[in-house]
Amino acid sequence: DAGVIQSPRHEVTEMGQEVTLRCKPISGHNSLFWYRQTMMRGLELLIYFNNNVPIDDSGMPEDRFSAKMPNASFSTLKIQPSEPRDSAVYFCASSRVLAYKNIQYFGAGTRLSVL
Amino acid sequence: DQQVKQNSPSLSVQEGRISILNCDYTNSMFDYFLWYKKYPAEGPTFLISISSIKDKNEDGRFTVFLNKSAKHLSLHIVPSQPGDSAVYFCAASGETSGSRLTFGEGTQLTVNP
Repeated sequence: DAGVIQSPRHEVTEMGQEVTLRCKPISGHNSLFWYRQTMMRGLELLIYFNNNVPIDDSGMPEDRFSAKMPNASFSTLKIQPSEPRDSAVYFCASSRVLAYKNIQYFGAGTRLSVL
Repeated sequence: DQQVKQNSPSLSVQEGRISILNCDYTNSMFDYFLWYKKYPAEGPTFLISISSIKDKNEDGRFTVFLNKSAKHLSLHIVPSQPGDSAVYFCAASGETSGSRLTFGEGTQLTVNP
């Protein structure tokens, strides 16, 4: 069974440009999570969805960040406009159920560099 | 406010010996804990978990111990193998935090042949 698939794996863009990161969760998983990993803050949760509905977006840093999940097999994280401080590795994860005793399965991540 | 802390950024052990990775937490509402392993350029991979109703969980070479009174958990790897060299993250959740996982900073384990 395929794992969580993220694209692109690497993204280099210039400040002010729009960036869209994509994620395909594991088939049959109902919950999807977006994380960001930086040296300063480690792994931090940005937003998560259950059955395509955003449940908690309190980790989204600012209005420049938005996430959507139009269907059960696809989600996007968009940054507009991008800034150099957005440079990080962005991970998507999915889990079978929305429960606190759940195992989240991670994708390989997208390394974003904003110049 | 770092609710989950891994105080050792790195650990180096010899192949065949035991590796012990430590994790402390401050939020008494946490009652489910996980360990993830991460290789460079890959996402974290689930390794083992433990619920607060237990104090030990074992899976092959990996054992997690939970000391609730000390708010401390540890991951033991016996015997350690060079392929175990990776960054290990401790994570915690609780009923009041919903599905949110709080991660520690990670510990880089290096197993020398």
